[in-house]
Amino acid sequence: DADVTQTPRNRITKTGKRIMLECSQTKGHDRMYWYRQDPGLGLRLIYYSFDVKDINKGEISDGYSVSRQAQAKFSLSLESAIPNQTALYFCATSGQTFTDTQYFGPGTRLTVL
Amino acid sequence: GDSVTQMEGPVTLSEEAFLTINCTYTATGYPSLFWYVQYPGEGLQLLLKATKADDKGSNKGFEATYRKETTSFHLEKGSVQVSDSAVYFCALSYSANFGNEKLTFGTGTRLTIIP
Repeated sequence: DADVTQTPRNRITKTGKRIMLECSQTKGHDRMYWYRQDPGLGLRLIYYSFDVKDINKGEISDGYSVSRQAQAKFSLSLESAIPNQTALYFCATSGQTFTDTQYFGPGTRLTVL
Repeated sequence: GDSVTQMEGPVTLSEEAFLTINCTYTATGYPSLFWYVQYPGEGLQLLLKATKADDKGSNKGFEATYRKETTSFHLEKGSVQVSDSAVYFCALSYSANFGNEKLTFGTGTRLTIIP
């Protein structure tokens, strides 16, 4: 079984809809992250969580919110989706510091029409 | 701020060719440096890393040396295979001791190997 799973894998939605992307990990790590990937821009950090009670904004958090339901679960929400949020979204988890290896999920391809 | 600059792709090589993907960084401290690889349809996975100057990371025939004097971490492989076709990302991060905990990625370099 994969260490990091994401659901759904693909989603098409309309402008203004609320969307939740879910992530689960079996690595037993405290740290979890959400990134978005856009062509030519690499990966950009949306939110990250050091543990269940610690959530931090990344470089592009506007328009997004997150929930850390448990050590193993970290959800990303788009409260009112807009077309420029069309992207590939990745969840990741790592050990105690940013120097540790990050383990990525397979990604969710989101299209906002 | 911190940044990572990679050579622009796409890069197309023949099988068994020598590969170099350039990566330079800007950082105010002493970051750790990484190469991640993304195979088609998959998430990123760590290829190799180096945590201090002059360290060499290596894995699967790939190598990269942390060069503080040139702020570089170029990825090399002596003989590429079709299975190496992927997108390669250079990245940096600081250790917690410097109080700046963020993983910064380059824009990625798409590599295609033709038989």
